[in-house]
Amino acid sequence: NAGVTQTPKFRILKIGQSMTLQCTQDMNHNYMYWYRQDPGMGLKLIYYSVGAGITDKGEVPNGYNVSRSTTEDFPLRLELAAPSQTSVYFCASITRDSYTGELFFGEGSRLTVL
Amino acid sequence: RKEVEQDPGPFNVPEGATVAFNCTYSNSASQSFFWYRQDCRKEPKLLMSVYSSGNEDGRFTAQLNRASQYISLLIRDSKLSDSATYLCVAPSNYKLTFGKGTLLTVNP
Repeated sequence: NAGVTQTPKFRILKIGQSMTLQCTQDMNHNYMYWYRQDPGMGLKLIYYSVGAGITDKGEVPNGYNVSRSTTEDFPLRLELAAPSQTSVYFCASITRDSYTGELFFGEGSRLTVL
Repeated sequence: RKEVEQDPGPFNVPEGATVAFNCTYSNSASQSFFWYRQDCRKEPKLLMSVYSSGNEDGRFTAQLNRASQYISLLIRDSKLSDSATYLCVAPSNYKLTFGKGTLLTVNP
């Protein structure tokens, strides 16, 4: 069972570069989320999606963009990377019936901007 | 007011101790709440769900107080393996927002 797969696991960017973090889930989940986690801090919601073609901003969307063209994929794009975007990024998904509350997380993507 | 606020911690307790964390939420319409556990540099994993007044699973008890809009997590007979960060989640229309997390260290 693949679950939620994130790529890359590690990446170093230079200031001003752009990149896309990929996230794919094979559980046919409707809802998908992107979080960032700075050292010693909790998870902050960047963007989320309740289905293909529908996305919405979370707590910290500035500097990021997302798209949801399919149920499976929810890529996160960083434009003009800044040192403040150095963080660990987690993608997660949940089925429409969220009664159990179990978010399925990817293993995280560790991004450093120098 | 932030959607979810947690006890900042950190908590350092000896093995065998009982420890409790609190989490307050702002959206009174939230129906269910969740506690996640996160080990260092790993993804969070669901620990417990709370739908009504409370839920118990072995040494762990989660309680919900709707009137005061807080949830709590009680850990009895702490083990070294309980050392982790504990995060609460209060869903708001599928916008799943986490608290900042409370770091627990259980010492021998």
